Amino acid sequence: DVKVTQSSRYLVKRTGEKVFLECVQDMDHENMFWYRQDPGLGLRLIYFSYDVKMKEKGDIPEGYSVSREKKERFSLILESASTNQTSMYLCASSYGWTGAYEQYFGPGTRLTVT
Amino acid sequence: DQQVKQNSPSLSVQEGRISILNCDYTNSMFDYFLWYKKYPAEGPTFLISISSIKDKNEDGRFTVFLNKSAKHLSLHIVPSQPGDSAVYFCAATMNYGGSQGNLIFGKGTKLSVKP
Repeated sequence: DVKVTQSSRYLVKRTGEKVFLECVQDMDHENMFWYRQDPGLGLRLIYFSYDVKMKEKGDIPEGYSVSREKKERFSLILESASTNQTSMYLCASSYGWTGAYEQYFGPGTRLTVT
Repeated sequence: DQQVKQNSPSLSVQEGRISILNCDYTNSMFDYFLWYKKYPAEGPTFLISISSIKDKNEDGRFTVFLNKSAKHLSLHIVPSQPGDSAVYFCAATMNYGGSQGNLIFGKGTKLSVKP
């Protein structure tokens, strides 16, 4: 059974703080993704990675960075948190081979920036 | 520009009746489509998918229909149950170059099934 875990379910941070969100998957997936979900806006892709050390910008990368030092771990970094980054953050992973489109999601981290 | 559109933000259905959730797309290069279900405070879970070479895929109470000429797909849930109450996301992807593996999501439709 695929498992994607995220380091925190709920997080409260202050404006200007550096925030780290961690994601770990146990299925040896090549691809990993970070999304944010906001009411009425659906799931928006922040960053993704096809391999260790690789990263690609998604649709809304501004204010975020990522790190993938190991295959199973993908970190999302908010360099200087702002109130407009209050959101639900979702990590996902998938196999890298052709035709393997299904992404498996973690439980999400509800981040509040005050 | 939205490539995947779910034009109904919400849908309310009586228990036991059919729920029909709709999704439209604009990119004719999309060749695989997925539906995800999301409960509050949980991550989305995969529900059902369909390849562009098919026009229907069925899994228990869930059936997805694809109309390529209309660039439209729909998810049918029969019979609807209160536990089906959730937000449903439609997603699309294409097996083309560097976009492989990326899903384009719609904004979601909140389904409420009333007892």
